[in-house]
Amino acid sequence: DQQVKQNSPSLSVQEGRISILNCDYTNSMFDYFLWYKKYPAEGPTFLISISSIKDKNEDGRFTVFLNKSAKHLSLHIVPSQPGDSAVYFCAASARGGTYKYIFGTGTRLKVLA
Amino acid sequence: DVKVTQSSRYLVKRTGEKVFLECVQDMDHENMFWYRQDPGLGLRLIYFSYDVKMKEKGDIPEGYSVSREKKERFSLILESASTNQTSMYLCASSPTTGGLQPQHFGDGTRLSIL
Repeated sequence: DQQVKQNSPSLSVQEGRISILNCDYTNSMFDYFLWYKKYPAEGPTFLISISSIKDKNEDGRFTVFLNKSAKHLSLHIVPSQPGDSAVYFCAASARGGTYKYIFGTGTRLKVLA
Repeated sequence: DVKVTQSSRYLVKRTGEKVFLECVQDMDHENMFWYRQDPGLGLRLIYFSYDVKMKEKGDIPEGYSVSREKKERFSLILESASTNQTSMYLCASSPTTGGLQPQHFGDGTRLSIL
């Protein structure tokens, strides 16, 4: 049972345009969410997070939106750059839990120059 | 900067061997994790530890065990390696203080079982 789902395995976007990566979750106890970026042959690196008390968090070109009623979050990258080409994972956790995260299956983003 | 170091980037072993994957973190983090990453399946948690000598099973613990004798070191053990354990293995750590915090990952060990 996949509690965190990324339904798009891949996405291609033109350089300079917006990239939107989506993530859905099923567990209503999740209240902290993160996005990671992973390049080949490297470990995932933390990108941005959001707590359930917010519906938006912004950091430079990256913005994460959270829609709790729809159990949906999205990552917006504006403008997209070729260096953003990577696999993006969303992850979720529940406060009061064991500090572990449930990861989605990932979306491979390709930004075309 | 947090540093999570995995002892090997690439490893080739034979079916039936006992395999040790080592992970060391330098930030005094309480929590440490082992994941495997497979195409189309994302990151799946094998085991985690929230303190020295403490461990809990993740989602796919079968065929694996772990050891945490010191706070900075977390070892993953494949008791009798099988070909379906060929995968990318990722170690991560995170602190307990300050509530939920991002996990910091090592660069992974690509393990091939022949």
